Amino acid sequence: DAGVTQSPTHLIKTRGQQVTLRCSPKSGHDTVSWYQQALGQGPQFIFQYYEEEERQRGNFPDRFSGHQFPNYSSELNVNALLLGDSALYLCASSLTTGEGTDTQYFGPGTRLTVL
Amino acid sequence: AQSVTQLDSQVPVFEEAPVELRCNYSSSVSVYLFWYVQYPNQGLQLLLKYLSGSTLVKGINGFEAEFNKSQTSFHLRKPSVHISDTAEYFCAVSVRSGGYQKVTFGTGTKLQVIP
Repeated sequence: DAGVTQSPTHLIKTRGQQVTLRCSPKSGHDTVSWYQQALGQGPQFIFQYYEEEERQRGNFPDRFSGHQFPNYSSELNVNALLLGDSALYLCASSLTTGEGTDTQYFGPGTRLTVL
Repeated sequence: AQSVTQLDSQVPVFEEAPVELRCNYSSSVSVYLFWYVQYPNQGLQLLLKYLSGSTLVKGINGFEAEFNKSQTSFHLRKPSVHISDTAEYFCAVSVRSGGYQKVTFGTGTKLQVIP
C-alpha cells in the first residue's frame, strides 16, 4: 500500500500565477481533505471532497478550488497567487463512515513558495 | 464550534526523561481525539486516537494519551523519550457535523529532546 501520495514535492511560483497540486488517496479511501500549513502553524482546513463534490469548506477564498476524480484522486487549484499563499499543502485521505470517527492519513505535502 | 488548545509551543526535555504534551479542547458535542507527529519537512503521521472505550489509549513509538472528559483534555505522554522523538506534535479534535466529520487541529507543540 503506497499510502497517500502528493505531487509535486516542491513548487516555486510568482505572484499572480496559478498552481495545481495533486493527491492520490490511500487505497480504499473515498474522501480527500486539503489543508494549508503555514510556517510554525497547525494545519488549516481548506476543503473536503467526497463523491466528486466539495462537501465542506474552511475559511478560504474562492481562489482556492478543487476537484475529485472518479478514482478518488484530487487536485487543489490556487489562482492569482499571493505571497501569503506560501505554505506546505497537505492532503489527507479517509474512508467516510458518517460517524465522525474517520481517521485521516496524510501525504508528505507539497511545499509552495510564492515569490 | 470546536477548538483545540496546545498551550506549550515548545517543550525541551532531556533524553530518557518523561514528557507530557498538553491538549485541551472545547466542544458542545461528543468528540473524537487524535495526536499526530510531524518530522521536519514531512507530512503528519498518526500517533494514536481516542474514539470510544478505554480512556487510556496507546499508540506507536511508546506514546500514550488519556482522555479526560471532565477536564476536556487529551494529554500525550511518554515515560522515556529518545532523541528520535524530536518533532512537532499536533492534537486534533473531530466531531460529527451534519453527517460529516469536521476536524480541527491545534497549533502544535515542538518537542526538543536534549542529549
